[in-house]
Amino acid sequence: SQTIHQWPATLVQPVGSPLSLECTVEGTSNPNLYWYRQAAGRGLQLLFYSVGIGQISSEVPQNLSASRPQDRQFILSSKKLLLSDSGFYLCAWSLMLEAFFGQGTRLTVV
Amino acid sequence: AQTVTQSQPEMSVQEAETVTLSCTYDTSESDYYLFWYKQPPSRQMILVIRQEAYKQQNATENRFSVNFQKAAKSFSLKISDSQLGDAAMYFCAHYTGANSKLTFGKGITLSVRP
Repeated sequence: SQTIHQWPATLVQPVGSPLSLECTVEGTSNPNLYWYRQAAGRGLQLLFYSVGIGQISSEVPQNLSASRPQDRQFILSSKKLLLSDSGFYLCAWSLMLEAFFGQGTRLTVV
Repeated sequence: AQTVTQSQPEMSVQEAETVTLSCTYDTSESDYYLFWYKQPPSRQMILVIRQEAYKQQNATENRFSVNFQKAAKSFSLKISDSQLGDAAMYFCAHYTGANSKLTFGKGITLSVRP
């Protein structure tokens, strides 16, 4: 069966520090992969998505970046965190008919 | 560009009653999929129902059904016989195979009154 792992579950980072959130998928090949951010009480904002290794589409600019070094690995990064980067980050994978989500990472930038 | 709009931020329904959650979308694609996802306080995303755009028949899953109006680009979710466990945030979503982009609306918070 397919599973998705996302870690860490909770993260507190100071302003200006780097960020690396990792997501891996098991049990499927060549999935579409997505990173979303959910601010408190708000909707899911699509940040990045990828249809294959090294292929990244960006929906939001600036402070965040994403990479897909392996077929089933998706990484969200930042070189210098801002206070506005705080939120709940969700990784997801899909094969068109359904999307499966990780447990999410609650990031607090202090 | 594809967009999903959920204009109602909150709704409330009496237990055992029926409630309809609204969603509109915009897309230039003819082949796409629409979804409703539920997010309870645990934050886990749960697929509620799915509709393929090429199907004219509205999807139904037990107490959940949709009203898919393709020409109007409308995709509403009807919850019948509402239960306390239905209280959650509900997201409407659109997927197109043309670019593999999965876009969500802002969500609506549904509360169920006992």
